[in-house]
Amino acid sequence: GAGVSQTPSNKVTEKGKYVELRCDPISGHTALYWYRQSLGQGPEFLIYFQGTGAADDSGLPNDRFFAVRPEGSVSTLKIQRTERGDSAVYLCASSLYSGGYEQYFGPGTRLTVT
Amino acid sequence: QKEVEQDPGPLSVPEGAIVSLNCTYSNSAFQYFMWYRQYSRKGPELLMYTYSSGNKEDGRFTAQVDKSSKYISLFIRDSQPSDSATYLCAMKDTNAGKSTFGDGTTLTVKP
Repeated sequence: GAGVSQTPSNKVTEKGKYVELRCDPISGHTALYWYRQSLGQGPEFLIYFQGTGAADDSGLPNDRFFAVRPEGSVSTLKIQRTERGDSAVYLCASSLYSGGYEQYFGPGTRLTVT
Repeated sequence: QKEVEQDPGPLSVPEGAIVSLNCTYSNSAFQYFMWYRQYSRKGPELLMYTYSSGNKEDGRFTAQVDKSSKYISLFIRDSQPSDSATYLCAMKDTNAGKSTFGDGTTLTVKP
């Protein structure tokens, strides 16, 4: 079956611009996670949704970052006033439910802020 | 200090060697211990998980968890060139949704 998909695969934007990153989870998965991975580091947690609501947004670095999941399926990560330090691979994962261990990752969106 | 520390590598071994990958952690609440494999420009892929302490074997892979020492390991027997990748340890507590990852160890298996 189809895995987690993310679009775009690459995004180059200028400092100060607004970007949206999209994640399509595996059908039927109720939990969805966003992570950020910088070069040479492991994924760093940003936010996760159980259904439509953000169950834990403690990893969002500041108020320029926001994420939504209005219908409990597709999610969008939104970054305002991008900074060069936001450059990273943004990974999305989904799982059948939030308490389990098994998270299925998408290929990521590589964001470059120039 | 990070909650999860992973031996940084890189690690280069000949084909057929036994590989040992290790992580330490500080959060006693962690109950799930996972190993992911990540190929270049791909998302992490779950290899194995262990709940609480103990060993788990799956083919050429063995995962070990020692909660008393807060130390986990992944062993790869008869390593193959196709095992060349970055290996990430990850942990979570029972009630948390998020996983906490190590920074990964890059492994190269030379034919």
